Amino acid sequence: KAGVTQTPRYLIKTRGQQVTLSCSPISGHRSVSWYQQTPGQGLQFLFEYFSETQRNKGNFPGRFSGRQFSNSRSEMNVSTLELGDSALYLCASSPGQGNTIYFGEGSWLTVV
Amino acid sequence: GQSLEQPSEVTAVEGAIVQINCTYQTSGFYGLSWYQQHDGGAPTFLSYNALDGLEETGRFSSFLSRSDSYGYLLLQELQMKDSASYFCAVRFDGGSQGNLIFGKGTKLSVKP
Repeated sequence: KAGVTQTPRYLIKTRGQQVTLSCSPISGHRSVSWYQQTPGQGLQFLFEYFSETQRNKGNFPGRFSGRQFSNSRSEMNVSTLELGDSALYLCASSPGQGNTIYFGEGSWLTVV
Repeated sequence: GQSLEQPSEVTAVEGAIVQINCTYQTSGFYGLSWYQQHDGGAPTFLSYNALDGLEETGRFSSFLSRSDSYGYLLLQELQMKDSASYFCAVRFDGGSQGNLIFGKGTKLSVKP
């Protein structure tokens, strides 16, 4: 079974631009969640989608948004990028219940 | 609020045993998980404890004491490849992955 796939792996953007990151979950997994990881801050939950509906949202500004498609693939978007948005963005999928989540390799975003 | 505490760094020598502690304060508790992340890689699931006691998986064991809001990950017969960051994660409510919070991680360095 293929793992969680995230694209692009690396990208550099300029302040004020917007970015879209993509995630393909493990086949059969209906839950997709997104995390921001920065040095010293651990993994901070952004939001989770389940069957195309946002099921939960973390404490991030409205510039961060996401969606999920009928095939469970998900995208997250960050608008009006700020330098502080530079981070590793991780996508994770799970069947929807249970306690194990499976992470992708992440998308490294650098904002200059 | 919800919080997890774990040491930021631990150093040990090859062949030794190391214990990484995790204490938590959450409004509810559904289980404690551990994840391993190598530099530049994706976090991967190691173990899960829902009930008090010790869970063993090969060289790795995880312990939970719900009355003490405390758990630990025990790594035996340390190998160089065990050098990585280790995150504890607590689920404080059922269902959504948004109810899963992560500690800031413990960076384990294994020296020859």
